[in-house]
Amino acid sequence: GAGVSQSPRYKVAKRGQDVALRCDPISGHVSLFWYQQALGQGPEFLTYFQNEAQLDKSGLPSDRFFAERPEGSVSTLKIQRTQQEDSAVYLCASSLESRGGTEAFFGQGTRLTVV
Amino acid sequence: AQRVTQPEKLLSVFKGAPVELKCNYSYSGSPELFWYVQYSRQRLQLLLRHISRESIKGFTADLNKGETSFHLKKPFAQEEDSAMYYCALRRQAGTALIFGKGTTLSVSS
Repeated sequence: GAGVSQSPRYKVAKRGQDVALRCDPISGHVSLFWYQQALGQGPEFLTYFQNEAQLDKSGLPSDRFFAERPEGSVSTLKIQRTQQEDSAVYLCASSLESRGGTEAFFGQGTRLTVV
Repeated sequence: AQRVTQPEKLLSVFKGAPVELKCNYSYSGSPELFWYVQYSRQRLQLLLRHISRESIKGFTADLNKGETSFHLKKPFAQEEDSAMYYCALRRQAGTALIFGKGTTLSVSS
């Protein structure tokens, strides 16, 4: 595709509901990152994949958050038993290589509102 | 721990005025520094990075290791520069970006 695509663009969930957020990176991009951006804040790192391997998940705020990228392309961020503090914009970014300092391209994000 | 500080939440200037968006960082090593921009209703995109030492849309940023700063500058602001600007740090290629909280630049005529 032309860029990183995220779906849905908006999601309203009732507290306690499970949600799944999808990221389609640019074709051929090795690295994929998930970020969480709360209102008025900068994006904060959640987790990182190199192909299908999840190399860093140190930013996941609790065990309710789970991410996967089973075939090294599309990634899904799942949040179980959503809480109000999970309300944020979730950003996905991909880059061509794991080394070499290539540019990270961002998706438009999924705005999650937990009510 | 690595941290990026953008002290100004909002910067308002008139068209044609000089602009400086401040960014300070804390990191003991030699990081890569970036400026990202987000225009209204658009996605976050890279504006420039310190290793490229280039000027993009008239913006420049110089890494000052002594002051641990990477301020973004433009001599003459344009209305189309109005956007949210984020300074970001990366320890090395292949690691996550660490963002500041962002500065909203508003340029009026």
